[in-house]
Amino acid sequence: EAQVTQNPRYLITVTGKKLTVTCSQNMNHEYMSWYRQDPGLGLRQIYYSMNVEVTDKGDVPEGYKVSRKEKRNFPLILESPSPNQTSLYFCASSLQIRHPLLNEQFFGPGTRLTVL
Amino acid sequence: AQKITQTQPGMFVQEKEAVTLDCTYDTSDQSYGLFWYKQPSSGEMIFLIYQGSYDEQNATEGRYSLNFQKARKSANLVISASQLGDSAMYFCAMRDHNQGGKLIFGQGTELSVKP
Repeated sequence: EAQVTQNPRYLITVTGKKLTVTCSQNMNHEYMSWYRQDPGLGLRQIYYSMNVEVTDKGDVPEGYKVSRKEKRNFPLILESPSPNQTSLYFCASSLQIRHPLLNEQFFGPGTRLTVL
Repeated sequence: AQKITQTQPGMFVQEKEAVTLDCTYDTSDQSYGLFWYKQPSSGEMIFLIYQGSYDEQNATEGRYSLNFQKARKSANLVISASQLGDSAMYFCAMRDHNQGGKLIFGQGTELSVKP
């Protein structure tokens, strides 16, 4: 089944404890992206990757790191989480072979992160 | 810059009836796509349907169809024969030129299906 997977789905942690949210897609998509969703603020892009070893900042990259060593994986790293990073996080992926504005993005199931 | 507007914060529909969720957009591009996503209370973001700007026919996907009026810059989602499981937030979206084509979402419409 074609899908984007994320782990963990739920995580409660404490300030300063490094964590990684994994993201994997099995659709051979070039493009991958991380978003966070907050009430009243909608979805905001954190980082994106156009292909292996190509990553760049989105709208709200502070406090996050990413890597793209393999095409299928795009982990999100919080080196020192803070309470303002409490949010619902989504990983998404899409093809880039057509005009980039025409390709739908497929989302993972989301990760609900609480930082105490 | 691209912009998506959804003017219906919440809507109710009776089970088995059809419902239309409104979406208007703004773009200066000739080639673009409009996307609809469903977000149930469990939180997932589920892709529903896609309409390309050059598609001559309105997109359909099962009970979902898109009423695409290019001149009016509207891309309304029509759900036929509503089911209780259709109760969710619905987002209209398009991709921006910036940041690799990040998705720009509307404010969303919360649909409640009454039995």
